[in-house]
Amino acid sequence: GQNIDQPTEMTATEGAIVQINCTYQTSGFNGLFWYQQHAGEAPTFLSYNVLDGLEEKGRFSSFLSRSKGYSYLLLKELQMKDSASYLCAAIDSNYQLIWGAGTKLIIKP
Amino acid sequence: GAVVSQHPSRVICKSGTSVKIECRSLDFQATTMFWYRQFPKQSLMLMATSNEGSKATYEQGVEKDKFLINHASLTLSTLTVTSAHPEDSSFYICSARGELAAYEQYFGPGTRLTVT
Repeated sequence: GQNIDQPTEMTATEGAIVQINCTYQTSGFNGLFWYQQHAGEAPTFLSYNVLDGLEEKGRFSSFLSRSKGYSYLLLKELQMKDSASYLCAAIDSNYQLIWGAGTKLIIKP
Repeated sequence: GAVVSQHPSRVICKSGTSVKIECRSLDFQATTMFWYRQFPKQSLMLMATSNEGSKATYEQGVEKDKFLINHASLTLSTLTVTSAHPEDSSFYICSARGELAAYEQYFGPGTRLTVT
């Protein structure tokens, strides 16, 4: 079956760095997305990885290892507004998104 | 670019009535649209996938007669919740995929449905 695993909740301190991990098992693989979702709002796109390696975009970076079925989202210089759920989603061979349950990130002052 | 709108953003209806939610791609042609439902503190659950001009493909466990989906044009899909019940209260989100990117979905802002 197809499955995405990510931690349910994480807590970090303002100004610090946090890494949110995601492991996936899919029928075929056409890339992996990270989305940010604030409570009561729709998801917003953060990153897309299809090749191995690290993609950096400002304070956010995303890493992918296809051989390990593993990705992480790295958030630097955390701000209070980064408190949100972070959703990992892998694309299978039919170009369908397989969603993780999301990681709720709590930022403390 | 790649903006998707949803209307209404919030709706309250009485049990037994029907509610229609519209999803529009504003600046691109959406060959495929997706409808999701999200309950509080849970992840997105795909309800159905629709391609323009053809019948929607529903996920297992989603009643096609209750959740009517119409994708009549390349910029508009509608979801009608028929004979709504309080357990249908949820956050409904649509997303759209265009011709240029086979993988990326652009999300609408969501519709909060409350059935009383």
